[in-house]
Parts: sequence; structure tokens; C-alpha cells
Amino acid sequence: DAGVIQSPRHEVTEMGQEVTLRCKPISGHNSLFWYRQTMMRGLELLIYFNNNVPIDDSGMPEDRFSAKMPNASFSTLKIQPSEPRDSAVYFCASSRDQGLNEKLFFGSGTQLSVL
Amino acid sequence: GIQVEQSPPDLILQEGANSTLRCNFSDSVNNLQWFHQNPWGQLINLFYIPSGTKQNGRLSATTVATERYSLLYISSSQTTDSGVYFCAVVLNNDMRFGAGTRLTVKP
Repeated sequence: DAGVIQSPRHEVTEMGQEVTLRCKPISGHNSLFWYRQTMMRGLELLIYFNNNVPIDDSGMPEDRFSAKMPNASFSTLKIQPSEPRDSAVYFCASSRDQGLNEKLFFGSGTQLSVL
Repeated sequence: GIQVEQSPPDLILQEGANSTLRCNFSDSVNNLQWFHQNPWGQLINLFYIPSGTKQNGRLSATTVATERYSLLYISSSQTTDSGVYFCAVVLNNDMRFGAGTRLTVKP
């Protein structure tokens, strides 16, 4: 199995630009999670989907952030407009079944720098 | 929300030494997982261990849910064990990560 695949690995953009991060979960996994990691706040859950439906988006910091999962094999996290404080590593993770009570598998992350 | 504390925050070992990392949590949890984040940033799931003991090679983990702690044991440490070790707990669909233990294994 290829694991969770994220793209791009690195993204450098200017303040005000739109940023789109992409994720392909492990085939057969029903839940997908977006996390953000910063030195100050550690790992934070932004949103998670089960069977392509958003279950909990209470971690999404602002309306500038949005996430979609149009099908079982693809999800996007979009930031529009981006700000320097959005700079972080964004991880996508997936698990086999519903909710958070399953073993999580992480992608390699996207290092986002907003100048 | 649930509080998760990991100790020690930093640990430096000589190759071949053993170590114990601790994760304390403030409430009963539905599950607990241990992760290793290597120096390249990759997060690897080590154990899914809501209770009891599991072993995987040189690593083992024990969770005592009634006493609200989990331990990760690393035996005969190697330089490739370096990185940050996180525990993550779940209570009522709320997952929280600890701040991590940064392990450095010197050759």
C-alpha cells in the first residue's frame, strides 16, 4: 500500500494568495483527518471526514479555511486568502473506520510558508 | 478538554541504552496511540494501545487506563530512534496530542 499521499511537499506563497493542499487517503480507509503542526501549538486537528462527510470542523481556525472530500480517494484543504500566521506543516491522516477510535496513519505533510 | 502531559520533554541517550517515556492524561480515554516523528517530519504510528501491553521489536508500550498513564519503552536504542515521540488520546471524539518527548540517541 502506498500510504497516505499528500501534495505538494513544500509550498511557498505570498500573503493574500490562495493555497490548496491535497490528500489521497489509504485505499479502503473511511475516515480522513487534516492536522496542523506548529511549534507553538503542536498538533491540532482541523477537520475530519467519515465516508466523505465532514463530521467535526470545530478545529478549523477561520472562514479562510475550507476542506472538501468529493470522493473516497481525494480531499483538499484550501486557505483563501493566506496569511503569514498560516505557516505550518499540514498533515493529512486516514483510518479504517469511523471516528477517532482507530489507528491513524499520517502522510508526509505539506510544509507551508506564507511570506 | 482532556489534558495530556508527556515526560521528559527532552532525553539524550547513548546508543544501546534503554529508556522509558511517559504519557499522563487527565481523564478516562477511549483510546491511546503512540507516534514517532522522525527528523524528516514523518509521523509513524507505533502503537494503538487503549489498555494493556504490546510489543514490537525493541519497542513496547503499556497503558494503565485506570491510573491514566501510558509508558513507551525503548530498549537497546539506536540512532534511528531519534526524533519526537507523541502520545495521543481520544475521549468522546476529541483527540489530543501531548507536547512530545524529543529523543536524541548519540552514536
